[in-house]
Amino acid sequence: NAGVTQTPKFQVLKTGQSMTLQCAQDMNHNSMYWYRQDPGMGLRLIYYSASEGTTDKGEVPNGYNVSRLNKREFSLRLESAAPSQTSVYFCASRGSGRGDTQYFGPGTRLTVL
Amino acid sequence: QKEVEQNSGPLSVPEGAIASLNCTYSDRGSQSFFWYRQYSGKSPELIMSIYSNGDKEDGRFTAQLNKASQYVSLLIRDSQPSDSATYLCAVNTNTDKLIFGTGTRLQVFP
Repeated sequence: NAGVTQTPKFQVLKTGQSMTLQCAQDMNHNSMYWYRQDPGMGLRLIYYSASEGTTDKGEVPNGYNVSRLNKREFSLRLESAAPSQTSVYFCASRGSGRGDTQYFGPGTRLTVL
Repeated sequence: QKEVEQNSGPLSVPEGAIASLNCTYSDRGSQSFFWYRQYSGKSPELIMSIYSNGDKEDGRFTAQLNKASQYVSLLIRDSQPSDSATYLCAVNTNTDKLIFGTGTRLQVFP
């Protein structure tokens, strides 16, 4: 039981390049989330998916797109990376019960030069 | 006003002392409350959840909830250097999203 997995762990991009961050969970959770974490800013929600086939914007969606490929997988795409997108990105998943909490993946450290 | 507020710290306590971490939230409709611990360079991990007013104990950790005051706290008894981390408070307002505070950095010194 791997929980939430993310790839890659580290990535360096040049400004304008594109890339996709992959996330998968094996807990049969309905909801999945993408956050970014910057020093002093806490966790900021980029996009989330309450169920397969649905996605919604979070607090900081600009410059990102997402795809909920199936119940297990939720990917985050940067179409044209900018230095302001240098951050640590966390994927999380959550069950559907009232008290179900979120479980986080190990994170992706992205640097945009 | 931020939806979930925490003192950023650092909170420094000696080994063996009680560390008290506090969190306030703005939405009175909040239903579920969580404390996460995050070590430097690692992802957040859940350490406590609480849903009803009062105290909930789990080992050295006690979560306290006061919905009337919109206040949730985490007490760590017999603090150890290994408890040094950032503690994130998270609140669920009966939606699909958790709202996170910015975290309190705890330092436990020998």
